[in-house]
Amino acid sequence: QKEVEQNSGPLSVPEGAIASLNCTYSDRGSQSFFWYRQYSGKSPELIMFIYSNGDKEDGRFTAQLNKASQYVSLLIRDSQPSDSATYLCAVPNSMDSSYKLIFGSGTRLLVRP
Amino acid sequence: KAGVTQTPRYLIKTRGQQVTLSCSPISGHRSVSWYQQTPGQGLQFLFEYFSETQRNKGNFPGRFSGRQFSNSRSEMNVSTLELGDSALYLCASSQGPSASADTQYFGPGTRLTVL
Repeated sequence: QKEVEQNSGPLSVPEGAIASLNCTYSDRGSQSFFWYRQYSGKSPELIMFIYSNGDKEDGRFTAQLNKASQYVSLLIRDSQPSDSATYLCAVPNSMDSSYKLIFGSGTRLLVRP
Repeated sequence: KAGVTQTPRYLIKTRGQQVTLSCSPISGHRSVSWYQQTPGQGLQFLFEYFSETQRNKGNFPGRFSGRQFSNSRSEMNVSTLELGDSALYLCASSQGPSASADTQYFGPGTRLTVL
């Protein structure tokens, strides 16, 4: 089992719809969770991070965390064509204090105009 | 505040050569991590440095090495290049020292092509 799993997609949604991206992780000791957006040919850009169970909202983005079920999701409301990118879920290695981020393979999102 | 910078942005080498990539973290950040990104393997952790010490290393051969200087700038070196080393090499910086409540910010990356 991979440590961080994401559906590779592509996830295709119409403009204005809600895009829902999901991520599951295997390390029960994980305390923090990150969502990065990566446009083709560019480097990952941090969108959100979440530490506590429940929802965290930032503009059109909402991160949802359920530690009991070991999943974290990202909702994008009012999706725009400019949101078309690959979304990466990342979880720090909980075994030591170093910054080893374990990434999922990413979900490719396509927002149709 | 300036972001993470990486040089060079693009590099073309031939098999057997060696290469050195450079990363300057965000001012005040003391932790630098390196990742390799390929279409087949995704983002893979290479190593992390904090205060000139390597704290963690990913599952890569010894041809991959790195170091960090007292000003937190970091370099990574790949010797005896192989075709499979062609990838986007990403550097990320964080404030440190603990990863549990901190965030990594990525540089633009160095695109390495091995012919």
